[in-house]
Amino acid sequence: DAEITQSPRHKITETGRQVTLACHQTWNHNNMFWYRQDLGHGLRLIHYSYGVQDTNKGEVSDGYSVSRSNTEDLPLTLESAASSQTSVYFCASSDGTGHGYTFGSGTRLTVV
Amino acid sequence: AQSVSQHNHHVILSEAASLELGCNYSYGGTVNLFWYVQYPGQHLQLLLKYFSGDPLVKGIKGFEAEFIKSKFSFNLRKPSVQWSDTAEYFCAVKTDSSYKLIFGSGTRLLVRP
Repeated sequence: DAEITQSPRHKITETGRQVTLACHQTWNHNNMFWYRQDLGHGLRLIHYSYGVQDTNKGEVSDGYSVSRSNTEDLPLTLESAASSQTSVYFCASSDGTGHGYTFGSGTRLTVV
Repeated sequence: AQSVSQHNHHVILSEAASLELGCNYSYGGTVNLFWYVQYPGQHLQLLLKYFSGDPLVKGIKGFEAEFIKSKFSFNLRKPSVQWSDTAEYFCAVKTDSSYKLIFGSGTRLLVRP
């Protein structure tokens, strides 16, 4: 069965370190998204991609970057982790119709 | 910019009570509307969605929502809640100009036995 997987599930890192969160989907979806979830803010869009080599900034993109070298993967990199980036991160993908969105199980990141 | 507002941040109900969670969006064009649920410690699950046609949409677990275009609203309802409905509920909107899903801030529902 097709799926979307995120790794790691939990990560603790130190301030200033570079961190990469993985997202891998086997739906063959062109569209992929990264959100962060914080209490009182819901899910806010960090970056998104509509296909290979395409990346776009979302509403809270500062301090984050993504790259899309193939259809299946959209890794999220925190260039220099900050305590304000402690959050739960969700990856999602969707097909071209916009009718179906599939979410990963999330990565809980703690920056100390 | 498009936005989604969920008016109730925390709701506490007793079992068998009726539920209505508000959701309003700001966008003048065509929208697709979603309600997601997140049970404690789990990821998002789709409750229901609206694309076109009948504005009253029925979803899983007895939930329904009504799209009122003139009010830019998509409120979620359930006639009789259960303790197992304790979760966080998110309204989300996709506009016709993008594939992005824009989420509201969520409503935490606690159902007391």
